[in-house]
Amino acid sequence: AQRVTQPEKLLSVFKGAPVELKCNYSYSGSPELFWYVQYSRQRLQLLLRHISRESIKGFTADLNKGETSFHLKKPFAQEEDSAMYYCALRGVNTGRRALTFGSGTRLQVQP
Amino acid sequence: EPEVTQTPSHQVTQMGQEVILRCVPISNHLYFYWYRQILGQKVEFLVSFYNNEISEKSEIFDDQFSVERPDGSNFTLKIRSTKLEDSAMYFCASSVVGAMNTEAFFGQGTRLTVV
Repeated sequence: AQRVTQPEKLLSVFKGAPVELKCNYSYSGSPELFWYVQYSRQRLQLLLRHISRESIKGFTADLNKGETSFHLKKPFAQEEDSAMYYCALRGVNTGRRALTFGSGTRLQVQP
Repeated sequence: EPEVTQTPSHQVTQMGQEVILRCVPISNHLYFYWYRQILGQKVEFLVSFYNNEISEKSEIFDDQFSVERPDGSNFTLKIRSTKLEDSAMYFCASSVVGAMNTEAFFGQGTRLTVV
């Protein structure tokens, strides 16, 4: 079975502070990990995925297989980063395209 | 920029009634999905659809649910006899066919309220 855990429902930081949104996963095979973001009244959209090893809007995430984690980080939070963030997992080479989502973390960046 | 479109944005229905949720995927996408999110809970996978058939479904997707691509553009989710616990936000998504790591694009969702 695969599972994604986001331990924090709400993370509140001040503008300019570093941000780390935690994501841990449980999966017996090779995982593919994603971060999705949902801004207020907007649709879920892909923020980044581990295979791309990219930085989007200043966010990065590194897959740590030893700790089974895929934490999302940004060194300096901006007010426009306030949103719901969902970590998601998919099995590699399984033929399955379904995503397993975590419960989400609401990031609140205060001025 | 092309988007996945869902209608209606909010549907209220009486328990036991049939409901059809509609989605227009992005035009060159051939893989379609339905997910749902009960208030306060996780986004959960329901079903994926490719080449006019279900390619994958979760245990949530029981006989009460069905999906269809009635024409070249729409992708629908039907719930035959709604229950109170079907109240949720339903998200449609689509992706191109290709490598497994292709991105799924989500619609804005339909909020279904069963009363």
